[in-house]
Amino acid sequence: QLQLQESGPGLVNPSETLSLTCTVSGGSINSNEYFWGWIRQPPGKGLEWLGDITYRGSTYYNPSLMSRVTISVDTSKRQFSLKLYSVTAADTAVYYCARRDDSSGYWFDPWGQGTLVTVSS
Amino acid sequence: QSALTQPASVSGSPGQSITISCTGTSSDVGSYDLVSWYQQHPGKAPKLIIYAGSQRPSGISHRFSGSKSGTTASLTISGLQAEDEADYHCCSYAGGYTWVFGGGTKVTV
Repeated sequence: QLQLQESGPGLVNPSETLSLTCTVSGGSINSNEYFWGWIRQPPGKGLEWLGDITYRGSTYYNPSLMSRVTISVDTSKRQFSLKLYSVTAADTAVYYCARRDDSSGYWFDPWGQGTLVTVSS
Repeated sequence: QSALTQPASVSGSPGQSITISCTGTSSDVGSYDLVSWYQQHPGKAPKLIIYAGSQRPSGISHRFSGSKSGTTASLTISGLQAEDEADYHCCSYAGGYTWVFGGGTKVTV
């Protein structure tokens, strides 16, 4: 059963870079049918798609965040990563990684358990 | 790219049916049959329950159904059960390889 697990610091200083990694287990990250994505949820708010990547490194980003976000992949470690630059308190959220289907409906499944990142000094 | 609009809360009694709306625009919900729905219990990750507007993944109860009319997608939960109490999120493809979510709806049983 495919599982995803986020990891990274839970506290980031304002203006610095948020860095998270998602580790994939129980299945291959090398598939042409799926993208690997990041989605966040500010406290008490809805979900926001940040972007995703294929195992070959092709990326798509949310236009509203494109200037501040980079997603990369390391297939040898079955990991993909998120970097969000110049963070502010508005970037405080639970960050999820998820697999996105690219062939039969563009759905997101499964999701990692999520990791809370707080931006504060 | 604006978030899809969902009611903040919907409630129903056990056994009843409820419907959650998800309103978008002609650029997202209205242009594609690519709306998905997710159930999220408190402190848990979202779980896919409907994709491609009306398709159920394996293992998802037939009590969950999806539909669309114009720029509004809907999720109906029939035979409401206590375990259905959760937050529900809709998501639509918005063109240009971008995705947009709704604000989420809290269902109370």
